[in-house]
Amino acid sequence: DGGITQSPKYLFRKEGQNVTLSCEQNLNHDAMYWYRQDPGQGLRLIYYSQIVNDFQKGDIAEGYSVSREKKESFPLTVTSAQKNPTAFYLCASSTGQPTTSTGELFFGEGSRLTVL
Amino acid sequence: ILNVEQSPQSLHVQEGDSTNFTCSFPSSNFYALHWYRWETAKSPEALFVMTLNGDEKKKGRISATLNTKEGYSYLYIKGSQPEDSATYLCAPYTGNQFYFGTGTSLTVIP
Repeated sequence: DGGITQSPKYLFRKEGQNVTLSCEQNLNHDAMYWYRQDPGQGLRLIYYSQIVNDFQKGDIAEGYSVSREKKESFPLTVTSAQKNPTAFYLCASSTGQPTTSTGELFFGEGSRLTVL
Repeated sequence: ILNVEQSPQSLHVQEGDSTNFTCSFPSSNFYALHWYRWETAKSPEALFVMTLNGDEKKKGRISATLNTKEGYSYLYIKGSQPEDSATYLCAPYTGNQFYFGTGTSLTVIP
């Protein structure tokens, strides 16, 4: 089945450690996104990529890094520089044409990161 | 950063009731408005992609309208069913990214 796979589903990290969240899609989508959800807030954009080997910062990119070496994959690294990394992280992909009827976002099931 | 407001924050209705939610957003720099449904322990799923002022979309018992001049969209659910229980998110697209509201959490009581 086509879709987006995020792993791990749950992750615990000690302060000062970097962690990488995986996001893989087999929808042949050009665009991929990482969002963060915190209680009482809407999804906030961390990074997005509209094409392989290119990505842009979202509103809350500080303390995060990404790569887009393959169309199917868009891993997110939460670095030790991220001050408050405990959150729920969602990956999404799309055709990259959000104004068309087929331009909706397809989401993974999310990864919950807890810093101990 | 775009301020997107959704109301009410949460809603409890009886099975069979009809209900509606509001999404408000700044009307400038508007390209499209997306609605998503997010059930507990699942991924958000798209309901509608709306672009034109006055646009109306319908999918079964769920419909949505869009007013880009005044910056709001309504989502309607007719004859709510327990399976409609979810959080409904709206997300205006400004040309380079989506901005999500905090959502309306709907609980349909059997």
